[in-house]
Amino acid sequence: EIVLTQSPATLSLSPGERATLSCRASESITNYLAWYQHKPGQSPRLLIYDASNRATGIPARFSGSGSVTNFTLTISTLQPEDFAVYYCQQRSHWPWTFGQGTKMEVK
Amino acid sequence: QLQLQESGPGLVKPSETLSLTCSVSGGSVSSSDYFWGWIRQPPGKGLEWIGHIYYSGHTYFSPSLKSRVSISVDTSKNRFSLNLNSVTAADTAVYYCTRIPKTTVEAKYYFDSWGQGTLVTVSS
Repeated sequence: EIVLTQSPATLSLSPGERATLSCRASESITNYLAWYQHKPGQSPRLLIYDASNRATGIPARFSGSGSVTNFTLTISTLQPEDFAVYYCQQRSHWPWTFGQGTKMEVK
Repeated sequence: QLQLQESGPGLVKPSETLSLTCSVSGGSVSSSDYFWGWIRQPPGKGLEWIGHIYYSGHTYFSPSLKSRVSISVDTSKNRFSLNLNSVTAADTAVYYCTRIPKTTVEAKYYFDSWGQGTLVTVSS
């Protein structure tokens, strides 16, 4: 099973700052990685797929990069509505797995 | 616009079967373009893929749950269902139903739409 390790576990930032979230895979997943945003009481939302493609309707401030085992989600200028938990997920190998999440909180 | 809505008992006794249904509106479970799946999130923990189904009935399950889980699709009612038997407290979680594109270019094999989720507690 592919293990996805996200870091940091918690990220404390202020609106307007830049956020960089990391996801590391235990073995190569090529570029088959997605990022989801999850707010309390809501369902998760797909942000990025295949490592770097924004899903429909996702603002341009969200970008993804990386390949093989190291991936990054960047939020260029944090908006108040961006504070949430972010998960990465791989679909390269069965079973599909998620990282444990990075909680982005207001500093 | 696609909407997914989970329904089912919020409380299940240990050793019994957890049964949930996902009703689909604004889309069709008969579409050859999508899989339909289930994901869960135990309290305070991360997301776990359970499994998914194609309109033909072909299913895919997480190895850790495969011996206890089944997923079915009812095209006449445009819904799909999850059954998880022999439940324990470890199966307490919010359960989400999801859509997974199969043939589209965008978001192929990722979870592009989610229901609101339903909390199922396993307790006597």
